[in-house]
Amino acid sequence: EVQVVESGGGLVQPGGSLRLSCAASGFTFSTYYISWVRQAPGKGLEWVANIKPDGSEKNYVDSVKGRFTISRDNAKNSLSLQMNSLRAEDTAVYYCFVRSEDYWGQGTLVTVSS
Amino acid sequence: DIQMTQSPSSLSASVGDRVTITCRASQGIRNDLGWYQQKPGKAPKRLIYVASSLQSGVPSRFSGSGFGTEFTLTISSLQPEDFATYYCLQHNSYPNTFGQGTKLEIK
Repeated sequence: EVQVVESGGGLVQPGGSLRLSCAASGFTFSTYYISWVRQAPGKGLEWVANIKPDGSEKNYVDSVKGRFTISRDNAKNSLSLQMNSLRAEDTAVYYCFVRSEDYWGQGTLVTVSS
Repeated sequence: DIQMTQSPSSLSASVGDRVTITCRASQGIRNDLGWYQQKPGKAPKRLIYVASSLQSGVPSRFSGSGFGTEFTLTISSLQPEDFATYYCLQHNSYPNTFGQGTKLEIK
């Protein structure tokens, strides 16, 4: 059974940092592009970043470039999103997402507020 | 970046109605587009991939069409469980981009 589980969300002050994790099982993690998608409260979906299977290529939406870093550990079937210099507009539920197979996690909520 | 303009933003319809949702891309994306359904508090679920292929397990009342810059999602006969929000997603180039969403409500 495919499982995708995000963790690491929480409340953080503006300017702070947070690291999200995504643990995957039930599929060959190392062969897929994996993405982060977020959804601000009451708003639509926004693609944030993705990473190539071998980690050699990373892509980001402009609004997070230079602040967020996506990475993966194929030996541990895990994906991470290091988020620095957080802003109020980064408040959202963050989903780990394998687009080619339509695998989604349940999401983890990040709240940026003082 | 490729902009995806989705319309309408909301739609009121009745069970049994036929509805169509449109996404227009700001530049050609071949057929690199998927359609997603999202219900409150849940992760999205893909209905259609590569513009017109039905995801396994999705009812055949859902269909997609289009190529290049204009795409449609059609629900041939609305069922109660179809009332949700729908999004398109282009994956032709980075950053991938979603449409703004269409909230389908019961009339």
